[in-house]
Amino acid sequence: NAGVTQTPKFQVLKTGQSMTLQCAQDMNHNSMYWYRQDPGMGLRLIYYSASEGTTDKGEVPNGYNVSRLNKREFSLRLESAAPSQTSVYFCASRAGLDTEAFFGQGTRLTVV
Amino acid sequence: DQQVKQNSPSLSVQEGRISILNCDYTNSMFDYFLWYKKYPAEGPTFLISISSIKDKNEDGRFTVFLNKSAKHLSLHIVPSQPGDSAVYFCAAPYYNQGGKLIFGQGTELSVKP
Repeated sequence: NAGVTQTPKFQVLKTGQSMTLQCAQDMNHNSMYWYRQDPGMGLRLIYYSASEGTTDKGEVPNGYNVSRLNKREFSLRLESAAPSQTSVYFCASRAGLDTEAFFGQGTRLTVV
Repeated sequence: DQQVKQNSPSLSVQEGRISILNCDYTNSMFDYFLWYKKYPAEGPTFLISISSIKDKNEDGRFTVFLNKSAKHLSLHIVPSQPGDSAVYFCAAPYYNQGGKLIFGQGTELSVKP
């Protein structure tokens, strides 16, 4: 059972480059989320998608865009990477409001 | 505005003793709370949850207590084991924002043999 799959696992970008982080879930979940984890800051919500066809900003959306491609897939795009976007990124999904979220293994991104 | 707060960045306990991790929230509309555990280089994994209609939920060695009047919840681990050493996050969803799920800053628990 794959659960939530994120690609890539590691990435190094130069400042100004763009990239897309991919996330797919096979649990037929309605909601999907992108978080970043930084030391001392916990897990901060970047964007989320409550259901297929909708996306909303989270706590730290600046510099990012998202696409809910279908029910399974939710991608995160950095159009022009900055060193401040060096972080570990996690994708998550969950079925409904009173259910737990399942997380992917994370993408470690370094912007130099 | 950090609406879910974990004010202790770290906690160290002896194996076999109780670990108590705390979480405070400011939004009285929160109705459901979750605890997650995270090991290095892995994604967070769900540990236990509690609905606001309860004040306690227990699962094996893990118990979560909710004090709605104080807007405070705590996670008790008894007895603590070295394998419990990890970062613990509390989380809460916004029901009126499509289930937007936010997390606290985390507490790093170290259980020493």
